[in-house]
Amino acid sequence: KAGVTQTPRYLIKTRGQQVTLSCSPISGHRSVSWYQQTPGQGLQFLFEYFSETQRNKGNFPGRFSGRQFSNSRSEMNVSTLELGDSALYLCASSLGNTGDTEAFFGQGTRLTVV
Amino acid sequence: DAKTTQPTSMDCAEGRAANLPCNHSTISGNEYVYWYRQIHSQGPQYIIHGLKNNETNEMASLIITEDRKSSTLILPHATLRDTAVYYCIVRARNTGNQFYFGTGTSLTVIP
Repeated sequence: KAGVTQTPRYLIKTRGQQVTLSCSPISGHRSVSWYQQTPGQGLQFLFEYFSETQRNKGNFPGRFSGRQFSNSRSEMNVSTLELGDSALYLCASSLGNTGDTEAFFGQGTRLTVV
Repeated sequence: DAKTTQPTSMDCAEGRAANLPCNHSTISGNEYVYWYRQIHSQGPQYIIHGLKNNETNEMASLIITEDRKSSTLILPHATLRDTAVYYCIVRARNTGNQFYFGTGTSLTVIP
């Protein structure tokens, strides 16, 4: 079956702009979580959605937001981009939202802010 | 979630077993041990997870000590494609679909 699909794979934006990233989970998975990976901070949890509701949120400013649609697809938005937002953004999907279910990651969107 | 400690880097000869240790001395009874790996610039790949018992799948084996304070991921016959950063993560049952990644172990398989 198809894995987690993230689009676009690469993106270049200018400081001050906003960006929207998309994640299509594995069919039947209802939980989607987002992560930011940078060389300095490693992999950091952004937020999680389950059945269209944000369930958990990491320690990121309000410029980072997301949503989940009824088909479980999720989008992540970053407004007023800063140079430090350059990162690999990953999403992961899971069948459930409990700690005993594995999550599967997409290949990520590489965002460069210039 | 409990914190984990892993060696920063390890080498392994191709064809030999790779044994990656992880210390999670503050793990609690409802916390699972997960292993993921990440090959450069790709998304993390799920390997295996367990609670108390040892687990084995087509990729690896997970050995958890009886007191659950440490575990070892075993790749039985390492290949060059197993070169990656391996993350050991402890995750409670009642936390959502969120993982807190540490710095992991950079495994290099040497020909």
